[in-house]
Amino acid sequence: GENVGLHLPTLSVQEGDNSIINCAYSNSASDYFIWYKQESGKGPQFIIDIRSNMDKRQGQRVTVLLNKTVKHLSLQIAATQPGDSAVYFCAENEIISNFGNEKLTFGTGTRLTIIP
Amino acid sequence: DGGITQSPKYLFRKEGQNVTLSCEQNLNHDAMYWYRQDPGQGLRLIYYSQIVNDFQKGDIAEGYSVSREKKESFPLTVTSAQKNPTAFYLCASSALFQTGELFFGEGSRLTVL
Repeated sequence: GENVGLHLPTLSVQEGDNSIINCAYSNSASDYFIWYKQESGKGPQFIIDIRSNMDKRQGQRVTVLLNKTVKHLSLQIAATQPGDSAVYFCAENEIISNFGNEKLTFGTGTRLTIIP
Repeated sequence: DGGITQSPKYLFRKEGQNVTLSCEQNLNHDAMYWYRQDPGQGLRLIYYSQIVNDFQKGDIAEGYSVSREKKESFPLTVTSAQKNPTAFYLCASSALFQTGELFFGEGSRLTVL
């Protein structure tokens, strides 16, 4: 299954399948991006990050892809497990001034449900 | 174990009362943050502190106050001036300001009755 960002905030995937969660970011000057996972009633946990000089980064069962041309970020989770059920947030580190001030801006999140 | 601890996890208050949420970290991080999370919205920054004895307003600071007297502590007071205080509040810290991984606490859910 593939989420197309804010228009589909929920995503259901069969256990064992791959999932793709998408995120559109706003600032072409953003140079650093992070994906967080938030389980119900808990704080977000870091999953993976990527800098703007890269277009792909892989972790354990997760891959982040960055397309700077269209300002798009995606998180791929391979061989999904029940424990992957959570809300996933992308965050962009925006450069907000000529003095190099930065601001971390979070997306609204996508709820991923793994169906046993 | 190093980490960031928020308390209380659940809090109820009557309208017109101030309430203080605790946030403590033993990660030796310089930067600390408070975010508010509402259903269907991303995390919004209330206040942040880059270093002890210094803090700055975030995007939605009205009705909130903070202090940073110790490196490991960054309490948030939700005042009676906050018009819609019912929310999930998250504290976070990072080694450097807005750089690298943010470590989040488990959150505090405030309900105004």
